[in-house]
Amino acid sequence: DADVTQTPRNRITKTGKRIMLECSQTKGHDRMYWYRQDPGLGLRLIYYSFDVKDINKGEISDGYSVSRQAQAKFSLSLESAIPNQTALYFCATSDDGPYNEQFFGPGTRLTVL
Amino acid sequence: AQSVTQPDIHITVSEGASLELRCNYSYGATPYLFWYVQSPGQGLQLLLKYFSGDTLVQGIKGFEAEFKRSQSSFNLRKPSVHWSDAAEYFCAVGGPAAGNKLTFGGGTRVLVKP
Repeated sequence: DADVTQTPRNRITKTGKRIMLECSQTKGHDRMYWYRQDPGLGLRLIYYSFDVKDINKGEISDGYSVSRQAQAKFSLSLESAIPNQTALYFCATSDDGPYNEQFFGPGTRLTVL
Repeated sequence: AQSVTQPDIHITVSEGASLELRCNYSYGATPYLFWYVQSPGQGLQLLLKYFSGDTLVQGIKGFEAEFKRSQSSFNLRKPSVHWSDAAEYFCAVGGPAAGNKLTFGGGTRVLVKP
């Protein structure tokens, strides 16, 4: 089984809808991250969490919110989806050591019409 | 703030030829550097990483990278490319001075010709 899983893998929705993307991990890591990938822009950090009670905004958090339900679960929500949120979304985890090697899920492809 | 530049958006290489992907970074302290590969429809897989020590690091799938502090570079190389190396490659920089977050470059897409 994969160490980092994301659901759904693909989602098509309409402008104004609320969407939740879910991430689960079995690596026992404290740190979890949400990124979005756009062509030519690489991965940009949306939110990150260093433990269950710690939530931090990344560089592009506007229009997004997160919930850290447990050490193993970190969800990303789009309260009112808009077309420019169409992207590939990745969840990642890392341990709390100094090197921050991150392990990625398979991604969720989100299309907002 | 840290940043990563991958100057080549696309590279096309013949199978069996050598490959070099460029990565330049900006970081205010000793960087931790990573190369990830993303195969079509897949997540990101770590190829190799540099934290300290020997500036030539070996990774999986026959890849290596060389850290050059004077040039702020961390270029990725492979002596002989296989068709399965067709993918997108991302360089990333991070470390304690960055709040233990990674910053990624824009990626280089590699196409392999038969």
